[in-house]
Amino acid sequence: AQSVSQHNHHVILSEAASLELGCNYSYGGTVNLFWYVQYPGQHLQLLLKYFSGDPLVKGIKGFEAEFIKSKFSFNLRKPSVQWSDTAEYFCAVIIIQGAQKLVFGQGTRLTINP
Amino acid sequence: ETGVTQTPRHLVMGMTNKKSLKCEQHLGHNAMYWYKQSAKKPLELMFVYSLEERVENNSVPSRFSPECPNSSHLFLHLHTLQPEDSALYLCASSLERSYNEQFFGPGTRLTVL
Repeated sequence: AQSVSQHNHHVILSEAASLELGCNYSYGGTVNLFWYVQYPGQHLQLLLKYFSGDPLVKGIKGFEAEFIKSKFSFNLRKPSVQWSDTAEYFCAVIIIQGAQKLVFGQGTRLTINP
Repeated sequence: ETGVTQTPRHLVMGMTNKKSLKCEQHLGHNAMYWYKQSAKKPLELMFVYSLEERVENNSVPSRFSPECPNSSHLFLHLHTLQPEDSALYLCASSLERSYNEQFFGPGTRLTVL
């Protein structure tokens, strides 16, 4: 069955540190990839998405992610984090063929210390 | 504001109660979804509606009963729930049942006593 793995469950950084959150998925076919963010007390919102084309995609608030097909990965990065980036981050994958079900990773809690 | 609203935001109910969760989307979408978000677990897709027709039921117990009277509204009727059903229930919508992004509501925090 299709699955999404986020290896870091809780990441703690200081402001201005660089961030990379890992995401791997288990399906070998064509996929669309997403990163969602959930700020404390707020709804899930889309950070960025990859459908096709340039594997390096840029999202809101200075985030970017790189799709590496050979590694089945879609890692999220930000060169310099801010306290306001404290949130939970979810990677999600949807298979282009088949059930069209959006499958989420279990999330990574990011805490930024001022 | 995502354009997807959910009520109530918090709900406490006993195991013998019957209650309903409501979701409304103002985005002109025609696919709607219910998810369950439990601590330390990935979001679990429960139900999918496309053009008001249920197209997916992910082995959800019958004590959860969805209803989609039109493309803007989605309900989740609850009865005889168990304490392990306590979770955040999220509603989402998308433009058709497509590969594009889903827009999420704020969720209903449900506690079953």
